[in-house]
Formats: sequence, C-alpha cells, structure tokens
Amino acid sequence: QSALTQPRSVSGSPGQSVTISCTGTRSDVGNFNYVSWYQQPPGKAPKLMIYDVNKRPSGVPDRFSGSKSGITASLTISGLQAEDEADYYCWSYAGSSSYVFGSGTTVTVL
Amino acid sequence: QVQLQESGPGLVKPSETLSLTCTVSNYSISSGYYWGWIRQPPGKGLEWIGYIYNSGNTYYNQSLKSRVTMSVDTSKNQFSLNLRSVAAADTAVYYCARFGAGSGTYFDIWGQGILVTVSS
Repeated sequence: QSALTQPRSVSGSPGQSVTISCTGTRSDVGNFNYVSWYQQPPGKAPKLMIYDVNKRPSGVPDRFSGSKSGITASLTISGLQAEDEADYYCWSYAGSSSYVFGSGTTVTVL
Repeated sequence: QVQLQESGPGLVKPSETLSLTCTVSNYSISSGYYWGWIRQPPGKGLEWIGYIYNSGNTYYNQSLKSRVTMSVDTSKNQFSLNLRSVAAADTAVYYCARFGAGSGTYFDIWGQGILVTVSS
C-alpha cells in the first residue's frame, strides 16, 4: 500500500487560506468516506483535526474544514494563524481492515 | 480524560525484538475500542503498524506483518507491541493511539510517543 500523495509544503500569510490535497486511489480515498487529518507540531504527537472526511472533533476551530472529490481529499485552513504552523497528515481506510497515511505536508505561516 | 503512555527500552540491538507497552488511563480497555500503534522515523512521515481489539483480534500493516505481534492485557489495562528482527530502519518514535467512536476509522487520542533507537 503506497502512501497517499500530499504536497511537500504549502505556505500562506496570516489571515489567508491554504488547502492541502491528499491524493489516493479508487481503492482507498475514492472508495470510502473515511479520511481523517492530523496536525503535528514539531516534536509533538499528532492531533486529530478532521475525521470522516469533513467532521470536526470538539475543540478544533471551525477554521479547519475537510472535503473530498473523487480520489482526492482536501484540508482547508481558513484565516491562517501562526499556531497553525505544523506538519499535516491525511489517513484513509483502504479496505480489508487496512489503512494508509499520507506523505505529509509542512504548513508555513509567512 | 483518557490518556495513553508508551513505555519500553529506548535502545534495542539489531536482530533483537523491540517490545513496547501502552498504558491506558481513565478508560477500561475491556469496555471497547480498537487500539493501535504508529511509528515515525526521524525526519520522516507516519507509518501505521497495526491495531488490536480488547478481544485480542489483531490487524497488521502488510509490510510489517511477518515481524509484528500485538497483545492486550485487560487486567493491567495495557496493550503491547513486539517487533522482531529489528534493523536500523526500525529506529523511530513509536506512538500508541485509540481509534475513535462512530466509524472507528481514525485515531482520536494519542500517546506522547517514545523514541526507540536500533543500534549495537
């Protein structure tokens, strides 16, 4: 199972919006609405930001939103803030009780 | 709130077995949920290792399946990871985590992680 494809890095100025893509296949992202996103600040454990494509856990700001079209899922951060600077990973169910992570994207706030 | 804490040796020799334990606080593993292990080599991305239910049912990443064994000890409220025949490529931060409710296809709670170095 190959890792889902994410851009290596994205950047934006405070207040802007950035979108991170996560491209899989028809066997994983394209076949299930079970995509989640994790934020990982440097040296820290990942934190769940979005699950089931577009659901937000309690406590996650509504600046974070998720969507999916075909084999590509996306995480959008609106109103970018300095504290959003981190690595972001997508994760998808791939069938037969297996899963796959994305390759990871570094978000830089300019 | 529910907390997870990894423990185990920080240094393992090549060809030996890496053994880690995850202790769960403020929730009884016997009550349900799936529990998983994820690792992250230094400077690299996350890799799913596998997960286990309180009944002992296990599901492993195909790429590691031949070397991985997971187990659960409900009396101690812990679950464990054994990775056999380790090599330098197994050096990583190892995280334990809980699968969330509902679809149960995402990790909602993570441990802080433990760095394991494979070196002689």
